[in-house]
Amino acid sequence: LNLVESGGGLVKPGGSLRLSCAASGFTFSDYTMNWVRQAPGKGLEWVSSISSSRSYIYYSDSVKGRFTISRDNAEDSLFLQMNRLTPEDTAVYYCARLHYDGSGTYYDWFDTWGQGTLVTVSS
Amino acid sequence: KFMLTQPHSVSESPGKTVTISCTRKGGSIAGNYVQWYQQRPGSAPTTVVFEDDQRPPGVPDRFSGSIDRSSNSASLTISGLKIEDEADYYCQSFDDTTVIFGGGTKLTVL
Repeated sequence: LNLVESGGGLVKPGGSLRLSCAASGFTFSDYTMNWVRQAPGKGLEWVSSISSSRSYIYYSDSVKGRFTISRDNAEDSLFLQMNRLTPEDTAVYYCARLHYDGSGTYYDWFDTWGQGTLVTVSS
Repeated sequence: KFMLTQPHSVSESPGKTVTISCTRKGGSIAGNYVQWYQQRPGSAPTTVVFEDDQRPPGVPDRFSGSIDRSSNSASLTISGLKIEDEADYYCQSFDDTTVIFGGGTKLTVL
């Protein structure tokens, strides 16, 4: 059971970056997946969510219109396309899985997190 | 949308009991389940309590959660404190389609 983020790095304000999260050890296509970020020295902030079949996609107000979440269930991968980045987007970005009991019931808590990838927006 | 407010920091001695509060501003604390996550420095969060008072497998029973309708708050209580419990703790709930986190509480065990 593993989530591994990649794609972070240094980008200039106004630039773009695409994050990836590779899942293994579970049936990725069954789960609602999320991105959660944490600015240096700050708390956790939810960014976006995508349901198992992509039917439901949600964003926080702070990223709506700039970030796009997507997934490839055939490749067990989650993505976050980030455009028009600002220094306030500087953070460690975690992918996180919402709990699912395997028999149709979804829950509102994160049961698995990746180790995160650092995005730094600076000139 | 509602907000979850936590104390910035708490401290207690090893072996003692500490309680961290999470107060909901807007709506009833009983309206949506509350979860608690532990985050040690340099590590990703892990769940210590879900659905107000449930523990995931592997979490010791020293960790317990509750809600109090009178104060409209949730609490995480850690008994028999150990040095390794020193970490940041976050409460979390859902607001329809949005995930809400509290600001986090730094627990110092000294």
